[in-house]
Amino acid sequence: NAGVTQTPKFRVLKTGQSMTLLCAQDMNHEYMYWYRQDPGMGLRLIHYSVGEGTTAKGEVPDGYNVSRLKKQNFLLGLESAAPSQTSVYFCAGGPTYYEQYFGPGTRLTVT
Amino acid sequence: AQRVTQPEKLLSVFKGAPVELKCNYSYSGSPELFWYVQYSRQRLQLLLRHISRESIKGFTADLNKGETSFHLKKPFAQEEDSAMYYCALSGSGGKLIFGQGTELSVKP
Repeated sequence: NAGVTQTPKFRVLKTGQSMTLLCAQDMNHEYMYWYRQDPGMGLRLIHYSVGEGTTAKGEVPDGYNVSRLKKQNFLLGLESAAPSQTSVYFCAGGPTYYEQYFGPGTRLTVT
Repeated sequence: AQRVTQPEKLLSVFKGAPVELKCNYSYSGSPELFWYVQYSRQRLQLLLRHISRESIKGFTADLNKGETSFHLKKPFAQEEDSAMYYCALSGSGGKLIFGQGTELSVKP
């Protein structure tokens, strides 16, 4: 039972490149979330999902897309990376919207 | 607008001193509030929720609707309480709105 895992842990991208971050959970949680964490800004919600096949926009969705084709996976995509997307990305999953279990984070640098 | 404000970026206290981490919110309706904590090299985790009115690791938090606050308190801080603390508010549609976070440093 690994809980919530994120792949990769670190990544460096050049401006304009694309990538996908994978979040996987083995606890059968309905709710899944993608956040970004920036100094002085706290955690900001990018996109979230309240069940398989559903997604919704959070506070800062621009420049990102998500998919939840399988209940256990929640993918975050950057189509054309920008330096402003340099951040630490956290995925979370939970049985309810408030009881969220977080992944270890992905540190992304866009040069 | 739904918003959570944690006015202190860093709070430094000595071991054994009382600690209060401030959290103010704006929300039109009946809010649900939570405190999350991230210890060094660990994942962010739920510390407590106002509805359960419980004390976790000696911490308590009371929802004050008049002052729109949900401050986290502990009478005697311990070194192991050093961590990043986030206040969170339930938003519409199954999500949480987090504050900016307060780093608590408990000195020996």
